[in-house]
Amino acid sequence: DSGVTQTPKHLITATGQRVTLRCSPRSGDLSVYWYQQSLDQGLQFLIQYYNGEERAKGNILERFSAQQFPDLHSELNLSSLELGDSALYFCASSVAGITDTQYFGPGTRLTVL
Amino acid sequence: AQKITQTQPGMFVQEKEAVTLDCTYDTSDPSYGLFWYKQPSSGEMIFLIYQGSYDQQNATEGRYSLNFQKARKSANLVISASQLGDSAMYFCAMRELSSNDYKLSFGAGTTVTVRA
Repeated sequence: DSGVTQTPKHLITATGQRVTLRCSPRSGDLSVYWYQQSLDQGLQFLIQYYNGEERAKGNILERFSAQQFPDLHSELNLSSLELGDSALYFCASSVAGITDTQYFGPGTRLTVL
Repeated sequence: AQKITQTQPGMFVQEKEAVTLDCTYDTSDPSYGLFWYKQPSSGEMIFLIYQGSYDQQNATEGRYSLNFQKARKSANLVISASQLGDSAMYFCAMRELSSNDYKLSFGAGTTVTVRA
């Protein structure tokens, strides 16, 4: 158990819908990262937050957004869902940032029908 | 351009034997970190081992060791005394420390199947 929690574990929804994925980092970790794992794209970095502020952005679609709250938990919002958004979404956390190991949560498996 | 290359899509290894998973990387950044993660069939990503570009010695963590050859830009993972529970997908990843980007770049992964 990495200490990073993600909910829900599974999510099945329809095209065009909006969902919210939630992540709680390990105790003491200030940085939260979101990654998407799909069969065709592999593991892709989406976005990073550090202590409530956006720090780095990767291949995140405009339909996707994220935030980190004062208690350091983070949410990833996916809207206008398409079939291609079906993937495993991971949250990872680290103490500070650049030199630290990122520990991953168990992931949320999103299926868009 | 692909930053992390894992050329072995799948490997079989006999229980109690050692297995080496290949990873080559591409970067012009003098400061970087290399990571290996394990993903069992249950899906979670488990951190295994870390090697910094300036580390003088190869990293080791229990049965895991990293064969770091900086000039060749390779960071191969060695799993010694394989166990059935080692059957999983293994990912090599890199973070370039000089960029403002904190992301990990992952390879495509190698599936390891341990046979009894």
